[in-house]
Amino acid sequence: DAKTTQPPSMDCAEGRAANLPCNHSTISGNEYVYWYRQIHSQGPQYIIHGLKNNETNEMASLIITEDRKSSTLILPHATLRDTAVYYCIVLGWGSNYKLTFGKGTLLTVNP
Amino acid sequence: EAQVTQNPRYLITVTGKKLTVTCSQNMNHEYMSWYRQDPGLGLRQIYYSMNVEVTDKGDVPEGYKVSRKEKRNFPLILESPSPNQTSLYFCASRPGQGTEAFFGQGTRLTVV
Repeated sequence: DAKTTQPPSMDCAEGRAANLPCNHSTISGNEYVYWYRQIHSQGPQYIIHGLKNNETNEMASLIITEDRKSSTLILPHATLRDTAVYYCIVLGWGSNYKLTFGKGTLLTVNP
Repeated sequence: EAQVTQNPRYLITVTGKKLTVTCSQNMNHEYMSWYRQDPGLGLRQIYYSMNVEVTDKGDVPEGYKVSRKEKRNFPLILESPSPNQTSLYFCASRPGQGTEAFFGQGTRLTVV
């Protein structure tokens, strides 16, 4: 599975959009981009995933560049409860189910 | 409610005393796995199972055993715990390839 690079930390004001970037320049054609988050030692929580089209659900939007080498997770209206470590993971369809978590981005939402 | 349930949530034990951390999911998922999380090392996979009676090693399997006798349960067994197994443990399940994973709330284990 391709490696990902994320900034170690980011800040966001409450109510504003949080845009979390992820680089995955070695991604291959059958690999998906997944986003999870972990709120203070709780179990990681799935947010969204995509292959090449932009995706949106009730939690967030995922924007994948046309060359698929990077993506951005957007939390449209961040709240204090969105403070967490966000992980970008690239996973192939034929993977053995292992999610390889990097260090992620610590997003701090400030009042 | 769809969930992955781990027990216990917290456990303090002594070196060498066998213990089992249970994991159960109510979503009929095929895939289950165990992770441990340590400061500075992130989440690392210990063992995984792709179906009943099918298990395989992850990245850090030493000192652990698992079994998958039925689809819903995937216990993690520490036959002779040591202090370096002090960690935060997570069980996860997912229905199949290319799908979202559901994680339990974690088990914080301390081995003294």
